[in-house]
Amino acid sequence: QVTLKESGPVLVKPTETLTLTCTVSGFSLSNARMGVSWIRQPPGKALEWLAHIFSNDEKSYSTSLKSRLTISKDTSKSQVVLTMTNMDPVDTATYYCARILSGSYDSYFDYWGQGTLVTVSS
Amino acid sequence: DIQMTQSPSSLSASVGDRVTITCRASQSISSYLNWYQQKPGKAPKLLIYAASSLQSGVPSRFSGSGSGTDFTLTISSLQPEDFATYYCQQSYSTLPITFGQGTRLEIK
Repeated sequence: QVTLKESGPVLVKPTETLTLTCTVSGFSLSNARMGVSWIRQPPGKALEWLAHIFSNDEKSYSTSLKSRLTISKDTSKSQVVLTMTNMDPVDTATYYCARILSGSYDSYFDYWGQGTLVTVSS
Repeated sequence: DIQMTQSPSSLSASVGDRVTITCRASQSISSYLNWYQQKPGKAPKLLIYAASSLQSGVPSRFSGSGSGTDFTLTISSLQPEDFATYYCQQSYSTLPITFGQGTRLEIK
């Protein structure tokens, strides 16, 4: 059974750094067809993709947030970590991690975590 | 980045109606287009991948079509549990991934 679960602070102050952890089970982060992304959703707004890490440790970031994001993984712990620096109230959102399954002609998010709401406020 | 534009942004329909939601990409994405359903307070759920492939366990009243820049999601006969927000998402060969702005499907 594949599961992903996000963990991290529910409240951060402006200018602080957010660190979120995605703990996965039911698959390996070293599987060549699989990777993990972080996606966020401000209250009442659309989904926004943030970052992705592949099985070979290659990383990709949102163009607009690239300077603030770092994604990493610990395969032995089955964890993917996202850090976002210089948090601002506009970063208040539910943060999801999701597994991406890639084939020759397709690539999609087939499993999602439940999400974690992060509020940025002093 | 590839921009994804959904229409309409919101839609009112009745149980039993046939509904179509469209998604347009700012450049050709072949068939690298996926559709998700999201209900309030829940994570998105994959409905359709590769433009027209139905995810396992998803009812057959959902279908997807299109390639290149224009795509559609069709619900053939709306059921009460289908009232939700729907998102398209492109995963063309190179990242970044982008989502559409969402289509909220409401009960008329």
